[in-house]
Amino acid sequence: AQTVTQSQPEMSVQEAETVTLSCTYDTSESDYYLFWYKQPPSRQMILVIRQEAYKQQNATENRFSVNFQKAAKSFSLKISDSQLGDAAMYFCALGRGSNYKLTFGKGTLLTVNP
Amino acid sequence: NAGVTQTPKFQVLKTGQSMTLQCAQDMNHNSMYWYRQDPGMGLRLIYYSASEGTTDKGEVPNGYNVSRLNKREFSLRLESAAPSQTSVYFCASSEDGGRGPYEQYFGPGTRLTVT
Repeated sequence: AQTVTQSQPEMSVQEAETVTLSCTYDTSESDYYLFWYKQPPSRQMILVIRQEAYKQQNATENRFSVNFQKAAKSFSLKISDSQLGDAAMYFCALGRGSNYKLTFGKGTLLTVNP
Repeated sequence: NAGVTQTPKFQVLKTGQSMTLQCAQDMNHNSMYWYRQDPGMGLRLIYYSASEGTTDKGEVPNGYNVSRLNKREFSLRLESAAPSQTSVYFCASSEDGGRGPYEQYFGPGTRLTVT
C-alpha cells in the first residue's frame, strides 16, 4: 500500500513572502509520480505541479517549485512571492506508473495574510 | 470544451433514498474516477474505470455502484443512502498511454447531504 502524509494541517504566510508545504510518502514502487493540487474555496481541484520520480531535476512552474528528495521520500512545495489568490487547500498526491489511481494526502490549508 | 461536468451540484436525500450522480467529460479520456472528500480526510477513491466497459473498486467502494455508460460518461449510484455518505463527490478523468499517470482533470463536485 502507498501512503501520503501532509504533517501541516494549516499554514499561513504574509503576502509576497515564501512558504513551504511539506509532504512525505511511502511506496514500494520505483516508477511513480507526485503531484500538488490546489483547491480554492470554489472547490475546483487544480493541478499546480507534477514530478516524475525518474527525473532528478526538481519541477518548477512560475512561482511554484518542488524539493523532491527521493531517498527521503519527501516532496515539498515552495510558493514564492505569495499572492492572495494562493490561499487554498493544497493536496499532495502519489500515483504509480502501472496504473492511474492517485493516493491523496489530507491536505494543508494555506492562508495568505495581506 | 467544458472539461468534466457533474450533475447535480447540490443534493439532499433522506436516509434510504437512492440517487445517481452523473459525470461526463469531453476530452476523449479513457480513465475516469469517482472520489469523495470529507473534512480532514483528503480525497478518497470510490471507484475508477480504466476504459469503457471496465470498472474497479477503489479505497471506499461500499454502498456505491458505478456504470461506465460509454467513453464520455461515468455515473455513481447510491442505492440506499446513509448519513455516512454525506460528503462532497468529485468525478475526474485522465488520459493514458505511454508513461502514466497523467494529470487528472476534476469536475466541480457535488455536495450531498443525507439526513
